[in-house]
Amino acid sequence: EVQVLESGGGLVQPGGSLRLSCSASGFTFSSYAMNWVRQAPGKGLEWVSIICDTGGRTYYADSVRGRFTISRDNSKNTLYLQMSTLRADDTAIYSCAKGLTAGCNSPIDFWGQGTLVTVSS
Amino acid sequence: DIVMTQSPDSLAVSLGERATINCKSSQSVLHSSNNRSYLAWYQQKTGQPPKLLIYWASTRESGVPDRFSGSGSGTDFALTIASLQAEDVAVYYCQHYRSSPFTFGPGTKVDIK
Repeated sequence: EVQVLESGGGLVQPGGSLRLSCSASGFTFSSYAMNWVRQAPGKGLEWVSIICDTGGRTYYADSVRGRFTISRDNSKNTLYLQMSTLRADDTAIYSCAKGLTAGCNSPIDFWGQGTLVTVSS
Repeated sequence: DIVMTQSPDSLAVSLGERATINCKSSQSVLHSSNNRSYLAWYQQKTGQPPKLLIYWASTRESGVPDRFSGSGSGTDFALTIASLQAEDVAVYYCQHYRSSPFTFGPGTKVDIK
């Protein structure tokens, strides 16, 4: 059974940093692209970032490029999102999401429940 | 960047009736190398993570009821629920995965009339 479990969310002040983790199981983690997607309270889905299977290629939404860094440790079946220079509009539930295929041009076929990040003073 | 729009914002349909949601991309999401449109549809019920329904614009994900179908190519797409069931009440999103950023549409809320 595919499972992903996000952690690391919490309350952070504007300008601060936070690192999210996503522990995966039930599938060959290294063989799939992995995404971060966020959803602000009561709002729609916003794609944040993707890392392809080998970890060599990464892509970001315009709103986070230069502030967020996605990475993966295939030996630990874990996905990360390092977030810095956080702003109030980064407040959202951040979900780890598995790609259907290894490549970055892939729909998402499984989502975690997410971890809440609140940016506020 | 490719911008995704959806219409309508919301719709209410009687049980057993057809529901159709439209999605439009600002640029073609068709890849000439394989003649596939890089477009997916997701269903999100209240309090739950999204669920993949359709990818490659018209390929139904395993386990998805056949009342759900996707159509379209290039820039114009549709998700059709052939006979709306009570459990289909949800917000539906389209997303392209043609080139980064892989943006979602704003969502369409489907309710029972």
